[in-house]
Amino acid sequence: DAGVIQSPRHEVTEMGQEVTLRCKPISGHDYLFWYRQTMMRGLELLIYFNNNVPIDDSGMPEDRFSAKMPNASFSTLKIQPSEPRDSAVYFCASTPRTGELFFGEGSRLTVL
Amino acid sequence: TQLLEQSPQFLSIQEGENLTVYCNSSSVFSSLQWYRQEPGEGPVLLVTVVTGGEVKKLKRLTFQFGDARKDSSLHITAAQPGDTGLYLCAGVNYGGSQGNLIFGKGTKLSVKP
Repeated sequence: DAGVIQSPRHEVTEMGQEVTLRCKPISGHDYLFWYRQTMMRGLELLIYFNNNVPIDDSGMPEDRFSAKMPNASFSTLKIQPSEPRDSAVYFCASTPRTGELFFGEGSRLTVL
Repeated sequence: TQLLEQSPQFLSIQEGENLTVYCNSSSVFSSLQWYRQEPGEGPVLLVTVVTGGEVKKLKRLTFQFGDARKDSSLHITAAQPGDTGLYLCAGVNYGGSQGNLIFGKGTKLSVKP
């Protein structure tokens, strides 16, 4: 299995631009998570899905952030408009019901 | 708000030394996970401890879950440069769903040859 696949690995954009991060979870995993990691705040859960349905989005910082999971093999996290304080590494993770999270390699976002 | 406090925040040691890092909370967890994250990669699960007082060993790494299920420790014997990375603990809430996994901020370990 290829593991959780995220794209892009790196994104540099200017304030106000739209950013879309993509994730392909491991086949057969029922849960998909989006996390954000910064030095100051560590790993923060933004949103998670179960069987493609959003379960808890209370970690999404504000309305500028949105996430979708149109099918079991694809999810997006969109930031519109982006701001410098959104600069972070964004991780996607998936899991079956066993409790172990399988993380992707992350998307490093820099907003200038 | 439940918090997991990890200490120390940073640790730099020489190859061959022993070390212990800690994960503490005022909350009780049904289980606790330890992950290691290397630069430029996502965290990878090392171990899950479930029972209060449980001790698990993974080669030179020894993990312990506190009797009250509020804390955990990771002890590394004879550290090697390959142990370098960010060590994260994550607590699973009682009766919680998969989303109720709370991460500490981690201990950044550097092992110098």
